[in-house]
Amino acid sequence: EVQLVESGGGLVQPGGSLRLSCAASGFTFSNYAMSWVRQAPGKGLEWVSTISNSDTGGNTYYADSVKGRFTVSRDNSKNTLYLQMYSLRAEDTAVYYCAKRGYNWNDAFDYWGQGALVTVSP
Amino acid sequence: DIQMTQSPSSLSASVGDRVTITCRASQSISNYLNWYQQKPGKAPKLLIYAASSLQSGVPSRFRGSRSGTDFTLTISSLQPEDFATYYCQQSYDTPLTFGGGTKVEIK
Repeated sequence: EVQLVESGGGLVQPGGSLRLSCAASGFTFSNYAMSWVRQAPGKGLEWVSTISNSDTGGNTYYADSVKGRFTVSRDNSKNTLYLQMYSLRAEDTAVYYCAKRGYNWNDAFDYWGQGALVTVSP
Repeated sequence: DIQMTQSPSSLSASVGDRVTITCRASQSISNYLNWYQQKPGKAPKLLIYAASSLQSGVPSRFRGSRSGTDFTLTISSLQPEDFATYYCQQSYDTPLTFGGGTKVEIK
């Protein structure tokens, strides 16, 4: 059974940093692209970042809204995805989901974690 | 960036009704269109991928279709557990983008 479990959320002051983790199990983690998707309170879904699988070099992609402030990485030996967030702003307040892509690059998000709440507030 | 325009933003329907939600892409995305269902406080769940393929375990009352850059999610006979918010999403190119969502409420 595929499982994705996020951790690391919490309350942080504007300008602060936070690192989210996503522990994966039930599939060969290194074979799949992984993503972060967020949802601000009462709002829709927003793609944040994707990291490709190891075969394609672990390339990283970011939404313009987080580029230069967030860094996605993966540790295939630990089956874990990370999102390092710097210079956090109030508008980054959201539930952050990690999501697994299908095997092919254009595939949908077929599994999602339960989400981690990040609150940016003084 | 590819814009995904989803309509309506909300609708009220009764159990047993046929419900249709549409999503229009701002440019060609081939068949790279996915539909998700989200219930309050829960993660999204994949329903339809590649415009018309039913994800494993999803009831057959959910159907996806495509006409050019217009995509449709149809629920043939709405069930009590289908009251939720539905999102379309293009996986053709980054930035990956979602529609604004359609909240399906009980009439």
